[in-house]
Amino acid sequence: NAGVMQNPRHLVRRRGQEARLRCSPMKGHSHVYWYRQLPEEGLKFMVYLQKENIIDESGMPKERFSAEFPKEGPSILRIQQVVRGDSAAYFCASSPPGQGMRKLFFGSGTQLSVL
Amino acid sequence: DAKTTQPTSMDCAEGRAANLPCNHSTISGNEYVYWYRQIHSQGPQYIIHGLKNNETNEMASLIITEDRKSSTLILPHATLRDTAVYYCIADTGANSKLTFGKGITLSVRP
Repeated sequence: NAGVMQNPRHLVRRRGQEARLRCSPMKGHSHVYWYRQLPEEGLKFMVYLQKENIIDESGMPKERFSAEFPKEGPSILRIQQVVRGDSAAYFCASSPPGQGMRKLFFGSGTQLSVL
Repeated sequence: DAKTTQPTSMDCAEGRAANLPCNHSTISGNEYVYWYRQIHSQGPQYIIHGLKNNETNEMASLIITEDRKSSTLILPHATLRDTAVYYCIADTGANSKLTFGKGITLSVRP
């Protein structure tokens, strides 16, 4: 059973470009969470999604950031018009239905660098 | 959710037990204690969780005091690969997000 897959592992963008980060949850998992970790800082919750639904986006910046988890395919975290402050490691986690937050499985992350 | 407090860092010798403390004096009756760790540049890894009773799995043991105001994560035979930031989190398990604090940096020395 493959773990949570995130790609790309590293993403370089110039200011003003768009960044699309992908996350494939573990097989059978229908809950996806996105976290951001700025350099030398802790993990910050961004958004929690279930298939086709955003459950909690309280940690998402109000502008330029969006997330989706379609019925088919991976979850996507999209950052429009990136700025240098968006440079960070973005981690995705998944959990199976009915487990709530008890046990999250994290991917290896996407390191976004904005030039 | 109850706030947890952990020392900033600690170290232990390879092969010895690492005992990582966590205080959660305001924990409520329905909050679990979770432990995760993050090895440098990797995603966090679930270790163990418990409510009242002590728990053990292949990675570690979790000892929760009877009043539930504190707990200790025990790595019985620490290896160099256990060097990581360890996060203690109190949560009901029904919330929509798990909140990570600063954690404790464990350094295992040869």
